[in-house]
Amino acid sequence: GAVVSQHPSWVICKSGTSVKIECRSLDFQATTMFWYRQFPKQSLMLMATSNEGSKATYEQGVEKDKFLINHASLTLSTLTVTSAHPEDSSFYICSARDARGNSGNTIYFGEGSWLTVV
Amino acid sequence: AQTVTQSQPEMSVQEAETVTLSCTYDTSESDYYLFWYKQPPSRQMILVIRQEAYKQQNATENRFSVNFQKAAKSFSLKISDSQLGDAAMYFCASTGTASKLTFGTGTRLQVTL
Repeated sequence: GAVVSQHPSWVICKSGTSVKIECRSLDFQATTMFWYRQFPKQSLMLMATSNEGSKATYEQGVEKDKFLINHASLTLSTLTVTSAHPEDSSFYICSARDARGNSGNTIYFGEGSWLTVV
Repeated sequence: AQTVTQSQPEMSVQEAETVTLSCTYDTSESDYYLFWYKQPPSRQMILVIRQEAYKQQNATENRFSVNFQKAAKSFSLKISDSQLGDAAMYFCASTGTASKLTFGTGTRLQVTL
């Protein structure tokens, strides 16, 4: 299947600083990528839909100014957590839609990123 | 709008046995896709199997197969010859051609010796 790579896997940052997480589709072009957050023992919570060349679409309750999403190319989307606070500590995971004709419109996930804000 | 329901929070199966995980869904999309993802303790979301709704034939991937009942909006996952490595959270999900992926709440599968 297609490959989506997410980096970094683990990151620790100081409260008040910003941290960037990258999501790359390695073998297909992804016009649409998705960013999720997962709390312990819960399902994935969609934060935003990232569209190449346009503004991201945020889910209700997600702060746009805090979670900046950029999708500048067909293979890269980034999530920047600005002015991070300890309550932002979580598991963040991205996914990308493979819209090629033989892919069944499948959505593949990156490995995820653990963010700890101290 | 889409909803996905997994009514089994936890399931257990003995090694080498067969287990079926249930999933029902509702969607307003005429063209949609259904997936089962596996999430082991590493938290990575691994695609197990996918089904295009327009295909009547049930998808199979080695030991994994689905029972897709479109009229009943049911999409269950059967794992045959269960292995210890199958222990994980399993999420059922659906998406339209351009819409977001909607997940169920997950089923935790335990595999016992």
